[in-house]
Amino acid sequence: AQSVSQHNHHVILSEAASLELGCNYSYGGTVNLFWYVQYPGQHLQLLLKYFSGDPLVKGIKGFEAEFIKSKFSFNLRKPSVQWSDTAEYFCAWGYQKVTFGTGTKLQVIP
Amino acid sequence: EADIYQTPRYLVIGTGKKITLECSQTMGHDKMYWYQQDPGMELHLIHYSYGVNSTEKGDLSSESTVSRIRTEHFPLTLESARPSHTSQYLCASSVSGTVRINEQFFGPGTRLTVL
Repeated sequence: AQSVSQHNHHVILSEAASLELGCNYSYGGTVNLFWYVQYPGQHLQLLLKYFSGDPLVKGIKGFEAEFIKSKFSFNLRKPSVQWSDTAEYFCAWGYQKVTFGTGTKLQVIP
Repeated sequence: EADIYQTPRYLVIGTGKKITLECSQTMGHDKMYWYQQDPGMELHLIHYSYGVNSTEKGDLSSESTVSRIRTEHFPLTLESARPSHTSQYLCASSVSGTVRINEQFFGPGTRLTVL
């Protein structure tokens, strides 16, 4: 079955630390890849997406993700996190339908 | 303002009751989705629709049913609620006119508790 693996379930960082959240998907064909974020008390919203082209994708709020086809990975990165980045992050992929990972809760300590 | 709405936000109900979770969007999207999410788990697709009078079951088997009589409205119904239905239900919609999925816009969710 198609699946998405997020390896980190809960990450705690201090402000200004660098962030990398892992995401691996199980299918090697045409994919659309997404990272969604849910801030406390808010709707799930799109952070960034990859369909084709440059494998390094820039998103909102300084986030970026790199698509590495050979590793079936789409890791999310941010060079310097802020307290306001505290949220739950979901990796997702699919074509006509989307499969989500289990999410990673990020807590940034001031 | 274009948005996606879900009501109620919270619902506590007894076993055996019939419930309908409402979802409406004002963005004119043809595609709509229902997901079920338990704490610490991934979102599971339970129903989706590509337009009026089109509904399909998702990847996770669900005893709920849906209807799509109007583009903007995609309600989910449980004929007889059970404690196993306790979960959070998220509604989403996405941009029309493309075969492959694009960005999804999510509602705030309905947290259902069945006693």
